[in-house]
Amino acid sequence: EAGVAQSPRYKIIEKRQSVAFWCNPISGHATLYWYQQILGQGPKLLIQFQNNGVVDDSQLPKDRFSAERLKGVDSTLKIQPAKLEDSAVYLCASSEWERGEQFFGPGTRLTVL
Amino acid sequence: AQRVTQPEKLLSVFKGAPVELKCNYSYSGSPELFWYVQYSRQRLQLLLRHISRESIKGFTADLNKGETSFHLKKPFAQEEDSAMYYCALSGHDYGQNFVFGPGTRLSVLP
Repeated sequence: EAGVAQSPRYKIIEKRQSVAFWCNPISGHATLYWYQQILGQGPKLLIQFQNNGVVDDSQLPKDRFSAERLKGVDSTLKIQPAKLEDSAVYLCASSEWERGEQFFGPGTRLTVL
Repeated sequence: AQRVTQPEKLLSVFKGAPVELKCNYSYSGSPELFWYVQYSRQRLQLLLRHISRESIKGFTADLNKGETSFHLKKPFAQEEDSAMYYCALSGHDYGQNFVFGPGTRLSVLP
């Protein structure tokens, strides 16, 4: 089966600019996750969707980050405006059900200058 | 708050030697524990979860609630085991969902 797709793979922006990432989960997977992985650290969960509803966004910096999952399939994560400390790899994962095995995408590497 | 610690950033062993990657956690309830692995130039993937109680690629991990540990073990390391290993915990309450440890890089030397 096709895996989780993410785009773009790399993005370089200047601070205070906006950026958006896209994720297409595995077909039929109800749960979608966005993680932020800063260099040298483990992934940190930003937001979890169950279909098109938010299950957990407790660690999402809501003053600058937003995410949506319209129609319960694809998802976008936006940062507006970006800060230097947002430089990281942004991972998307999906699972068939909540607490099922998570399948990860390749990630988007964001560099904020 | 739930937390996962992995004390070793880097672990180097020789091929054929036993391997133990340490993982400790803090969580007030009954967590679900996982090991995820990322091989070079590959995606992060699930290696094993404690509820499955199975051996994957020769690796096993036992949940020790008394010591709040979930160490990953393999009796004889292979060069293809070289990778980044992350221990992760899943809680059950809002704001206590999936938490990853900082990871341990395993290097198996020939």
